[in-house]
Amino acid sequence: QVQLQESGPGLVKPSETLSLTCTVSGDSISSYYWSWIRQPPGKGLEWIGSIYYSGSTNYNPSLKSRVTISVDTSKSQISLKLRSVTAADTAVYYCASSLAVAGSYFDCWGQGTQVTVSS
Amino acid sequence: DIQMTQSPSSLSASVGDRVTITCRASQSISSYLNWYQQKPGKAPKLLIYAASSLQSGVPSRFSGSGSGTDFTLTISSLQREDFATYYCQQSYSPPPTFGQGTKLEIK
Repeated sequence: QVQLQESGPGLVKPSETLSLTCTVSGDSISSYYWSWIRQPPGKGLEWIGSIYYSGSTNYNPSLKSRVTISVDTSKSQISLKLRSVTAADTAVYYCASSLAVAGSYFDCWGQGTQVTVSS
Repeated sequence: DIQMTQSPSSLSASVGDRVTITCRASQSISSYLNWYQQKPGKAPKLLIYAASSLQSGVPSRFSGSGSGTDFTLTISSLQREDFATYYCQQSYSPPPTFGQGTKLEIK
């Protein structure tokens, strides 16, 4: 069973770049698509984007101009960079696995990491 | 983007009750509909995929139905551990989108 662990700074200043890492264990990183999903406090879930081990990415159009997702297969890690953050980017950030970009489901999730944007 | 609308937004029920949550898509999504359960401070957990397929390890009191634009999640006999927030999610067309959630509370 794949296990996911998010890590990164819990506090980011406005206008700076949020950087998070998701470490994959228990299965090959080439077996799945990997997504970042976030949840603002007290609100619902928003898909940020996904990546395949080959490096192929898909992004939510609402965030596409500010997001970069990358993969390091040697470290079994997926990274998220979100530029020019504001308070609206304060959320719990999850990484999750799926078998495809479309027509699939998120069957394994990390525990999530809280990121607060504040000066 | 495909909009997902859940109803009700919150629901009070008792242990042993039968509960139904509805999810409606803004356009037809065939059967590409998934349901998740989320407890406070925890990550969402997949319950149902492809509208009606039960994820491994999920109790059989959970069931899903529907196709096209209208879907339901049913819990046949509520247990104490089922009190949580439930989300639907479409995977028909990127970006995948979620409903706003239904909070199931103890009456």
